Amino acid sequence: GAVVSQHPSRVICKSGTSVKIECRSLDFQATTMFWYRQFPKQSLMLMATSNEGSKATYEQGVEKDKFLINHASLTLSTLTVTSAHPEDSSFYICSARSQFAEKLFFGSGTQLSVL
Amino acid sequence: GENVEQHPSTLSVQEGDSAVIKCTYSDSASNYFPWYKQELGKRPQLIIDIRSNVGEKKDQRIAVTLNKTAKHFSLHITETQPEDSAVYFCAASDQTGANNLFFGTGTRLTVIP
Repeated sequence: GAVVSQHPSRVICKSGTSVKIECRSLDFQATTMFWYRQFPKQSLMLMATSNEGSKATYEQGVEKDKFLINHASLTLSTLTVTSAHPEDSSFYICSARSQFAEKLFFGSGTQLSVL
Repeated sequence: GENVEQHPSTLSVQEGDSAVIKCTYSDSASNYFPWYKQELGKRPQLIIDIRSNVGEKKDQRIAVTLNKTAKHFSLHITETQPEDSAVYFCAASDQTGANNLFFGTGTRLTVIP
């Protein structure tokens, strides 16, 4: 199946710093990428949908100035958690879909811990 | 938007027995229903999916059934093995053009050797 690479896998940072997470589709062009947040023992909550070359669409309750999403190419989307605080600590996962298939392929996730 | 409910939240079965996980969805326009298996701290892995023009799909020990009228679908795992232990998520596709997936709350399956 298609491969989606996500980096870093784990980040520990101080409160107030910004963290960038990258999501790359390695063997296909991802016209749409999704970013999810997952708390321990809970489901994946969709944060935003990004389409290459356009602004991301954020779900209700997700602060777009807090979680900056950039989908600058057909193989790369980034999520930047700005001025991170301890409550932003979570597992963040991206997924990608090509224009030719409805199946989503997930990145390996990023565990963010804000001290 | 779409609302997906999943039951049970936890399920323990003896090795070799069957496991069934059920989901309901609210949006009658949804037409794609994947199931994912997620091990602790890892990415969800697609294990099987079904479209609304099909009532049942099987892949070895895993099967999914769909009742479009009742808006529910189920995952069936037969001859369970310890390596089947994981969290399973159902999902439904919201037909808004972006094909967002809305996930159920997950079922933690434990297969007891």
